[in-house]
Amino acid sequence: ELKVEQNPLFLSMQEGKNYTIYCNYSTTSDRLYWYRQDPGKSLESLFVLLSNGAVKQEGRLMASLDTKARLSTLHITAAVHDLSATYFCAVAETSGSRLTFGEGTQLTVNP
Amino acid sequence: EPEVTQTPSHQVTQMGQEVILRCVPISNHLYFYWYRQILGQKVEFLVSFYNNEISEKSEIFDDQFSVERPDGSNFTLKIRSTKLEDSAMYFCASSAADGYQETQYFGPGTRLLVL
Repeated sequence: ELKVEQNPLFLSMQEGKNYTIYCNYSTTSDRLYWYRQDPGKSLESLFVLLSNGAVKQEGRLMASLDTKARLSTLHITAAVHDLSATYFCAVAETSGSRLTFGEGTQLTVNP
Repeated sequence: EPEVTQTPSHQVTQMGQEVILRCVPISNHLYFYWYRQILGQKVEFLVSFYNNEISEKSEIFDDQFSVERPDGSNFTLKIRSTKLEDSAMYFCASSAADGYQETQYFGPGTRLLVL
């Protein structure tokens, strides 16, 4: 059974600081997804990483994938309050297959 | 920008009643999914649908659940006899999954409350 673990589960940080969220998974896969969810809302796709060593950046967020270590990271640079949300990583075993989600990291950025 | 739509946004029902949740996936997508999220918990996969049949289902997706694509645009999830523990947010998603466009796009969700 595929397991996806995120840490930390809760993260409170100050504006302007940097931090990294980690996502470990238990199977060989080169398909890793990051989503953002605001309270009561749907899931917004942030990144899709499809190969070992893939790195993608959008604004203050950067995601990377190491398939050998079965690890993805979501790095936050110079956090701002608008980044406060829950961030989920998810893994798919093949193209088109189900996503298995991690528990989510609830990020709060304090002024 | 194309998006996945879902109706209704909220549904309140009595235990034992049937509910149908509706979704319109993105028009050129071929893979369709239902997920659910119990309040405060992670997102759980229910079922995926491709080429007019179920391609995967989870252990949550038992005989009380069914999916249909009744026409070329709608994708429905039916729960035959709802239980209290079916209360959750239900998300529909769709994907092209063509090796290039692999994102699963999620709809806004239907919040189901079973009383």
